[in-house]
Amino acid sequence: GAVVSQHPSWVICKSGTSVKIECRSLDFQATTMFWYRQFPKQSLMLMATSNEGSKATYEQGVEKDKFLINHASLTLSTLTVTSAHPEDSSFYICSARVLVDYGYTFGSGTRLTVV
Amino acid sequence: GENVEQHPSTLSVQEGDSAVIKCTYSDSASNYFPWYKQELGKRPQLIIDIRSNVGEKKDQRIAVTLNKTAKHFSLHITETQPEDSAVYFCAASKDQAGTALIFGKGTTLSVSS
Repeated sequence: GAVVSQHPSWVICKSGTSVKIECRSLDFQATTMFWYRQFPKQSLMLMATSNEGSKATYEQGVEKDKFLINHASLTLSTLTVTSAHPEDSSFYICSARVLVDYGYTFGSGTRLTVV
Repeated sequence: GENVEQHPSTLSVQEGDSAVIKCTYSDSASNYFPWYKQELGKRPQLIIDIRSNVGEKKDQRIAVTLNKTAKHFSLHITETQPEDSAVYFCAASKDQAGTALIFGKGTTLSVSS
């Protein structure tokens, strides 16, 4: 089946630094990648939609200059959290749609802790 | 955009009882409705899904019903077991490339033995 590999699984960083999260589609081409954020005991909230070779589309209230998304190839999308602050601590997870059956596949998620 | 409401937020049942979780959606163009089970710190796991050309789908103890007119869909778990205890999310999307899943707020199901 379609697999999205997400790295790192967890990361701890100091306040003010940047963190990059990678999602790779291993056996299919992900033209579009969706990025979600999940705070403890809450739902998955769509942050942005990245499209290969073009600018990402951000949901209302998500700062595009803080959450930089790059989708330079059909198999790699990255999310960079710039100038991270403790309130950015969350579970970040990517997802791609598999066109064959229009189902969705998810990365394993990244637990970001900003100290 | 799409908005998905999910109820209840918590549900406690005795082992062997049935559990029902309900969701409503706002965008009449949505036509794909999956249900996910999520363990803490893990990715969502698809347990069942339904498309708008079908009113009901069943997989062993799990079933999903869809009422397109009323824009709501429900998850039914029969003969619940303690291992069914988890957080369940409903979601909705349009069945076309480039559209994201929009999730409900989740239901924490507790099955006591």
